[in-house]
Amino acid sequence: GDSVTQMEGPVTLSEEAFLTINCTYTATGYPSLFWYVQYPGEGLQLLLKATKADDKGSNKGFEATYRKETTSFHLEKGSVQVSDSAVYFCALTNSNYQLIWGAGTKLIIKP
Amino acid sequence: EAGVTQFPSHSVIEKGQTVTLRCDPISGHDNLYWYRRVMGKEIKFLLHFVKESKQDESGMPNNRFLAERTGGTYSTLKVQPAELEDSGVYFCASSHRTFSGNTIYFGEGSWLTVV
Repeated sequence: GDSVTQMEGPVTLSEEAFLTINCTYTATGYPSLFWYVQYPGEGLQLLLKATKADDKGSNKGFEATYRKETTSFHLEKGSVQVSDSAVYFCALTNSNYQLIWGAGTKLIIKP
Repeated sequence: EAGVTQFPSHSVIEKGQTVTLRCDPISGHDNLYWYRRVMGKEIKFLLHFVKESKQDESGMPNNRFLAERTGGTYSTLKVQPAELEDSGVYFCASSHRTFSGNTIYFGEGSWLTVV
């Protein structure tokens, strides 16, 4: 079945560091890909998405490119801030419109 | 515009008791979804309503879980009787249309602890 694998956390970085959170997927067909973020004490928020190969999703300085050849959707940000500390989830929608989720990566940014 | 709202935000119940979670989707959203994350594991799909009809309930774990969406507006998820392994966070989400690239909007979750 469809699945999403993302790097385990926690990931701890200093402010202004470069961030990469790896995400790879296994899916039949052509899924849409998402990154959701959950800040402490809050619900899940859509961070960015890409619906077809080579699309780049971007928001709040974060970017991810839909790479069909490597079945990846890695999340990147050039300079992280303390306020980026959160749990990040990679997900895809399958043919039944269900979201299939990765395990989540906790990001801790130290000042 | 109000987002997806869930109630209660936190609930602590004893094993064997009943809990009912409520979700109010964004107004005008026909699609309503329930997901849950238990014991730090992956978030898992539970079910999907289109208006008042259950489009897909393949993720419901067993018959202790009952979801309803009377009138196609708010939805309830009842757990009866609750077991320890039901502890986790239950997310509700809604969307305007059903297609794979659609944006799904989530509530803040209902945190359930069964003791």
